[in-house]
Amino acid sequence: ETGVTQSPTHLIKTRGQQVTLRCSSQSGHNTVSWYQQALGQGPQFIFQYYREEENGRGNFPPRFSGLQFPNYSSELNVNALELDDSALYLCASSYGGTGKETQYFGPGTRLLVL
Amino acid sequence: GESVGLHLPTLSVQEGDNSIINCAYSNSASDYFIWYKQESGKGPQFIIDIRSNMDKRQGQRVTVLLNKTVKHLSLQIAATQPGDSAVYFCAECLISGYSTLTFGKGTMLLVSP
Repeated sequence: ETGVTQSPTHLIKTRGQQVTLRCSSQSGHNTVSWYQQALGQGPQFIFQYYREEENGRGNFPPRFSGLQFPNYSSELNVNALELDDSALYLCASSYGGTGKETQYFGPGTRLLVL
Repeated sequence: GESVGLHLPTLSVQEGDNSIINCAYSNSASDYFIWYKQESGKGPQFIIDIRSNMDKRQGQRVTVLLNKTVKHLSLQIAATQPGDSAVYFCAECLISGYSTLTFGKGTMLLVSP
């Protein structure tokens, strides 16, 4: 196990609602990255937080936002949910904030938007 | 054998066989590559990485080969075991500066006893 935990494990929402997903990083790590993984696809980078600041963002609209807290845990918020937001959301913790340091993934939160 | 399923290419092998999983990467400027293994219900797990100044790197039972000319990576697993059954992803990025991982689509490996 990586020591990265995510909550909740599963979530069902309806279109237009808002959702908050949570991630606790591995001890000693100061960086958290979030990914969206659609069924049958590889993870797609959403954004990365390093020392409480967003330091990189993928091709996702502003309704995807995040936070990192002083203990380096993190939240992913998605507003105005769309059906296509249904996916597995993965968080990965690491040390360094360069974008490509070895990342340790949590088990993910599976979001279903109806 | 290897087949293209509805969502993922799938490689089916017998226990004890050697497996070769292939990946074509997209960015000719990428110079750092990582293989991840994702088991059902879990997040991706780091297996092995390679920088572009190498064409081969070996780990425990795994070998990664890099061919920059044709933008191709392969992951070789020796003496494949049922516990190796998973989806395998290659990821690419730039080693210098800030660069994020770009994952490929993945290959499902099924190992039968």
